[in-house]
Amino acid sequence: NAGVTQTPKFQVLKTGQSMTLQCAQDMNHNSMYWYRQDPGMGLRLIYYSASEGTTDKGEVPNGYNVSRLNKREFSLRLESAAPSQTSVYFCASSELARLYEQYFGPGTRLTVT
Amino acid sequence: RKEVEQDPGPFNVPEGATVAFNCTYSNSASQSFFWYRQDCRKEPKLLMSVYSSGNEDGRFTAQLNRASQYISLLIRDSKLSDSATYLCVVLRVGSQGNLIFGKGTKLSVKP
Repeated sequence: NAGVTQTPKFQVLKTGQSMTLQCAQDMNHNSMYWYRQDPGMGLRLIYYSASEGTTDKGEVPNGYNVSRLNKREFSLRLESAAPSQTSVYFCASSELARLYEQYFGPGTRLTVT
Repeated sequence: RKEVEQDPGPFNVPEGATVAFNCTYSNSASQSFFWYRQDCRKEPKLLMSVYSSGNEDGRFTAQLNRASQYISLLIRDSKLSDSATYLCVVLRVGSQGNLIFGKGTKLSVKP
């Protein structure tokens, strides 16, 4: 099992460009999450999907959109990137019975210039 | 008061030492607490849950003090491989898996 995979691993964008971060899990988990982690800050939840077909805003959703494509895949889109979105982005998943035990992907390091 | 607060460290300790990390949370209605571990430039991983009665997993002991809204993690007989950042995590009240992460406490175990 690969667990949670994320692509790309690294990305550099110019201000105003758009991109989609991809996440997939092979653990048959119902719930999936997107976080960002900035230096000196804890991980902050951007969006989550409790189950296929549903998505909800987290703590810092502005500037992002998400799509729960199917049970396995949950993508994060930046429509018009800003330097403030420079961060490390982590995707995670969990099963319904143990929502707190979240399995994280390796992260995407995004720089917006 | 921040939702979850931790001493950022770093804690520099020799191998074999005992080290304790503390964490406070602001919402007295919080029910579920965890410690995650994050190695440098890696993803976080669940270390252990924190139960009201306190719980132990090998060299690791977690304790909860609801009256003081305080969580602790004790590591005995530190190993070099324990070097990492330890994240205090609280499940947001009324949420489905919405975790609130502390900024983390960095531990460095030296030979």
